[in-house]
Amino acid sequence: RKEVEQDPGPFNVPEGATVAFNCTYSNSASQSFFWYRQDCRKEPKLLMSVYSSGNEDGRFTAQLNRASQYISLLIRDSKLSDSATYLCVVNIVSGGSNYKLTFGKGTLLTVNP
Amino acid sequence: DAGITQSPRHKVTETGTPVTLRCHQTENHRYMYWYRQDPGHGLRLIHYSYGVKDTDKGEVSDGYSVSRSKTEDFLLTLESATSSQTSVYFCAISESFRASFGPGTRLTVT
Repeated sequence: RKEVEQDPGPFNVPEGATVAFNCTYSNSASQSFFWYRQDCRKEPKLLMSVYSSGNEDGRFTAQLNRASQYISLLIRDSKLSDSATYLCVVNIVSGGSNYKLTFGKGTLLTVNP
Repeated sequence: DAGITQSPRHKVTETGTPVTLRCHQTENHRYMYWYRQDPGHGLRLIHYSYGVKDTDKGEVSDGYSVSRSKTEDFLLTLESATSSQTSVYFCAISESFRASFGPGTRLTVT
């Protein structure tokens, strides 16, 4: 089983739609979780961290379910500028106290006018 | 933006030649990572470092070696490049679990 698995997508939605991305992780010892955004031919950039209590940043809401080892990202009122690839990222403890960032394959979102 | 640079940004090389990619940071972060990104595979970890001279393998480390002789520099070496190593290579740095990425190096092996 892959360490981090994401919805394969792609997602094509109209402006104003609500879209949700899901991600599961296999290592129950994972400590921290993030969503990154990557525009075409650019480097990934941090979108938001994901906290156990759930967190919101404007139109974006992230949720974490540790029991089910599941992370989600909800985008409300989609804008054209939201078109990008969204990457689920999990910090996995490796060899004692060290950790490594592991990425899902990403989900491509296209928001259409 | 975090101070991360990668060099070169683009490189074309022939099969069998050695190639070294450099990642340089000005943030004094402990962790540094090398990833490759290919269509259909997403970002895959090659090697990472958790301190000077401390490195570990990622999921696709075969054919690659790394070195970190000082905090700010993390080098990725392809000892004998193969066409399967044609990819975009990203360096990342991290201190408090969150990572920042360099702009990437586009490597083509002919």
